[in-house]
Amino acid sequence: AQTVTQSQPEMSVQEAETVTLSCTYDTSESNYYLFWYKQPPSRQMILVIRQEAYKQQNATENRFSVNFQKAAKSFSLKISDSQLGDTAMYFCAFMKRQGGSEKLVFGKGTKLTVNP
Amino acid sequence: GAGVSQSPRYKVAKRGQDVALRCDPISGHVSLFWYQQALGQGPEFLTYFQNEAQLDKSGLPSDRFFAERPEGSVSTLKIQRTQQEDSAVYLCASSLLRPSSGNTIYFGEGSWLTVV
Repeated sequence: AQTVTQSQPEMSVQEAETVTLSCTYDTSESNYYLFWYKQPPSRQMILVIRQEAYKQQNATENRFSVNFQKAAKSFSLKISDSQLGDTAMYFCAFMKRQGGSEKLVFGKGTKLTVNP
Repeated sequence: GAGVSQSPRYKVAKRGQDVALRCDPISGHVSLFWYQQALGQGPEFLTYFQNEAQLDKSGLPSDRFFAERPEGSVSTLKIQRTQQEDSAVYLCASSLLRPSSGNTIYFGEGSWLTVV
């Protein structure tokens, strides 16, 4: 079974500092996608960053970057120069493919608070 | 609008009542997903459509849950004889083609269902 584990239920960081959110996953597939989603109080899931497993290079999107360790099945998110607007729930997710279906499997989330 | 639209945004149902939740995906999007998010949890997959075909309904928790997308655009999630454990946010998402082809999945803001 494919699972996604986020071991940090809550984290906090000072504005302008850097924070890293951790995620581990379990899969027997060789090629797959991993995602980080941000969910503000409005509940709309917003894609932060995506990583394809066959790509060696870690994905980056402005202040957001990942540390993808395929052998260790680890996929952490680093947020640099944290801003107050980064305060939200962050979910790590794995794209599972089975037969004709595709679905995201989410972790339980990390609540990030950016303090002024 | 340009995004995934869901209605109603908020619904309070009495136990035993039937409810219908509507999702308008982004125009032209082939893939459509429904997820259920209980309080304090990550979203959990319910069902997946490709056009009008329901390719995966393995996540529907019971036969009280039914989803349809008859013309390959708007989708409705119906819950019959609601129970308190059905209280959750129901998220709809869509993507242009299959997500495994690199297409981004866009989420709506969800329908908040409270069963009293």
